[in-house]
Amino acid sequence: QVQLQESGPGLVKTSETLSLTCTVSGGSIGYYYWSWLRQPPGKPLECLGYIYNNGGIKRKYDPSLQSRVTISLDAPGNQFSLRLTSVTAADTAVYYCARGHALDVFDSWGQGTLVTVSS
Amino acid sequence: SYVVTQPPSVSVAPGQTATITCGGDNIGPKSVRWYQLKPGQAPVLVVYDGGAPPSGMSERFSGSNSGDTATLTITRVEAGDEADYCCQVWDDDNDRVLFGGGTKLTVL
Repeated sequence: QVQLQESGPGLVKTSETLSLTCTVSGGSIGYYYWSWLRQPPGKPLECLGYIYNNGGIKRKYDPSLQSRVTISLDAPGNQFSLRLTSVTAADTAVYYCARGHALDVFDSWGQGTLVTVSS
Repeated sequence: SYVVTQPPSVSVAPGQTATITCGGDNIGPKSVRWYQLKPGQAPVLVVYDGGAPPSGMSERFSGSNSGDTATLTITRVEAGDEADYCCQVWDDDNDRVLFGGGTKLTVL
């Protein structure tokens, strides 16, 4: 059974870059959609974007975040990562990584990591 | 843009049936996913396509949608079902995934 685990700093300063890594175990990182999602306090979940490798890399980001988000894949390391630039307090959230066999289904998730943005 | 709306809370006694709704304009034709969220745990997909639970998930969970409402039904509710439940659809207008605000299920 596949397991996902997020890792990275829990505190990021305003205007800096948030970087998180998701390590995948118990399954291959190929031929699935690998996504980052987040849930700000008191707000709904939102999907930041995904990366998909079917021999060629495909990425898609949420339109509202597209200019600040980058998702990368390290297939040999069975990891994928998130970079979110120019963060503000509005980026404070629990961040999740997830796997999907389609771009709009998330069938396995990490347990999430809280990232706080503060000056 | 498309909006989905969930009630903030639902309460049910153990052994009874819980119904949680997700409202959206003509949501009937859409594929609606449902997730269970518990603090400190990985979220779990409980309803996938056609209203059925994914492989390995309890068949006490099922979904349906018609008109402007999608519904998650949990039969024979147990204490361990106490959690937040979120619906999710594809927002065609904005070409993105869209989640409801979540409903907290309390088992009395």
